[in-house]
Amino acid sequence: GENVEQHPSTLSVQEGDSAVIKCTYSDSASNYFPWYKQELGKRPQLIIDIRSNVGEKKDQRIAVTLNKTAKHFSLHITETQPEDSAVYFCAAFPREGNNRLAFGKGNQVVVIP
Amino acid sequence: NAGVTQTPKFRILKIGQSMTLQCTQDMNHNYMYWYRQDPGMGLKLIYYSVGAGITDKGEVPNGYNVSRSTTEDFPLRLELAAPSQTSVYFCASNHRTGGSANTGELFFGEGSRLTVL
Repeated sequence: GENVEQHPSTLSVQEGDSAVIKCTYSDSASNYFPWYKQELGKRPQLIIDIRSNVGEKKDQRIAVTLNKTAKHFSLHITETQPEDSAVYFCAAFPREGNNRLAFGKGNQVVVIP
Repeated sequence: NAGVTQTPKFRILKIGQSMTLQCTQDMNHNYMYWYRQDPGMGLKLIYYSVGAGITDKGEVPNGYNVSRSTTEDFPLRLELAAPSQTSVYFCASNHRTGGSANTGELFFGEGSRLTVL
């Protein structure tokens, strides 16, 4: 099945700097890649997603890039703010097989004021 | 819309007890899921359902059972609770119209924190 790995597990950034989280996936047929944000004690919520026919997608301060050849995709947060502190999960949706999202283990992002 | 509603939010069980986590959604979603989240371990799929009357195992189904008698409800049953089932449980749902290329945002409930002592 699909295997998704996230790096780094923890990332600390100064407020105003950029944060980048990278995910790798194993199934080259995966075609949908969402990112979920989970604040402490809260539920995960979708913040951005990308499909395999697109290389980059942007929504205000966040963007996701996809490299299908290398099988990795990254979340970019610019001008980080304290409210960006959270755990971020990436996921990949395999085209074949069990029809369910495979989640990474999550990245803890800490924005230092 | 209330979205995805889970009950209870917190529960403490003794080893060997049984309980049911309730999940209901009012978005008419066809897919529903149960995940467990252990510290630092991400989200692991326990069971999922593609529609009323249809359920299937996820990555970690042992010790759990589910049913899907209606579109709205997807309860998770724990039989003979064990300390290894101490976790936060999330129910989620989404709507998919078919085709392997089509998926949509997962909507999660607020979670149920279960402790087995």
